[in-house]
Amino acid sequence: ILNVEQSPQSLHVQEGDSTNFTCSFPSSNFYALHWYRWETAKSPEALFVMTLNGDEKKKGRISATLNTKEGYSYLYIKGSQPEDSATYLCAFWLGYSTLTFGKGTMLLVSP
Amino acid sequence: SQTIHQWPATLVQPVGSPLSLECTVEGTSNPNLYWYRQAAGRGLQLLFYSVGIGQISSEVPQNLSASRPQDRQFILSSKKLLLSDSGFYLCAWSAQNQETQYFGPGTRLLVL
Repeated sequence: ILNVEQSPQSLHVQEGDSTNFTCSFPSSNFYALHWYRWETAKSPEALFVMTLNGDEKKKGRISATLNTKEGYSYLYIKGSQPEDSATYLCAFWLGYSTLTFGKGTMLLVSP
Repeated sequence: SQTIHQWPATLVQPVGSPLSLECTVEGTSNPNLYWYRQAAGRGLQLLFYSVGIGQISSEVPQNLSASRPQDRQFILSSKKLLLSDSGFYLCAWSAQNQETQYFGPGTRLLVL
């Protein structure tokens, strides 16, 4: 059974704050790490797919880094806005079978 | 472009009643299909996935079952619902040999 851990479980920040959260995954047999954003009353949407150690991906104010040797990925949000409020899920892929999702980090950004 | 549909959007069912949730995908062929559940306060749990018609893999033993009668149709069923079946059910698809999954709008199920 793969163990994908996300921390913190939830986070409440003020508009304009920058924030980051962590996804930990098994460092052996790594193939890909996915980040999804899941807004309330909507479906999860893919943000990033990361495959190489040292990868850094960016989409607007959101960026992610990957360390496959130590088994973690960080997601950063610069200057959080209320519309960033969502649950952020990471998912680990071994290269076969299905994605294994973490429980997510629930972010609430207050105006 | 590809779209994924789920229905119904919400459902309130008594304990012991049957269940049928449907998911269809348009704009692609031979997709991998998935059923997930998010129970209150818990993460996304994979229930079933299918790589082709009639091929179902079950991840968690429970009183639910899945069927894939057509290439782009995935059905989640139960003969007798339990209170613990309440939750948010998501269907997803991915292209063959691709792991990125695309999710449907979900069904919120409340079992009373």
